[in-house]
Amino acid sequence: DGGITQSPKYLFRKEGQNVTLSCEQNLNHDAMYWYRQDPGQGLRLIYYSQIVNDFQKGDIAEGYSVSREKKESFPLTVTSGQKNPTAFYLCASGNRDRAYGYTFGSGTRLTVV
Amino acid sequence: GQNIDQPTEMTATEGAIVQINCTYQTSGFNGLFWYQQHAGEAPTFLSYNVLDGLEEKGRFSSFLSRSKGYSYLLLKELQMKDSASYLCAVLFNTNAGKSTFGDGTTLTVKP
Repeated sequence: DGGITQSPKYLFRKEGQNVTLSCEQNLNHDAMYWYRQDPGQGLRLIYYSQIVNDFQKGDIAEGYSVSREKKESFPLTVTSGQKNPTAFYLCASGNRDRAYGYTFGSGTRLTVV
Repeated sequence: GQNIDQPTEMTATEGAIVQINCTYQTSGFNGLFWYQQHAGEAPTFLSYNVLDGLEEKGRFSSFLSRSKGYSYLLLKELQMKDSASYLCAVLFNTNAGKSTFGDGTTLTVKP
């Protein structure tokens, strides 16, 4: 079955360390997205990519970096420059032929101590 | 900005009908989605509207008025498992394919 996989589900890191969140999809979707969700709030866009080797900043890109070397993969690195990294991170994918309705991964809950 | 407004919380009784409203800025509008998100889980797609009118899918229906910048999600025959957050998301300018989300409406269904 096609889907989108995020790992790990839970992640703990010390302040000052970079951490990379994995996102892999086998839906053959062109576009992939990273959102952040804080308690009681909606999703805010961090980065997105429409094609391989190209990506764009979203609304809250500062302190994050991404790469899109393969169509299936869109990893997110949370750097030490991100001031409040503790959050629920969601990866999504979509295609124009589905009007970009998203399929989401199960999320990664990052806690920085 | 691209403000998307929806109520923060709603409560309804099992078996009843509830309507969750969403208003948005009309400039650049290219489609509206509703997603359901249970606590601690990822959102799942419920509906998509791009033309005016009502789209029905089982117990759930979604309505759109483009001129008014208004949508609602209608849930019928409420069940306890419908307790969740409902996210309204708008696609502005399809070139980027990126959706802007409202803060979500937390629905609590009581016996």
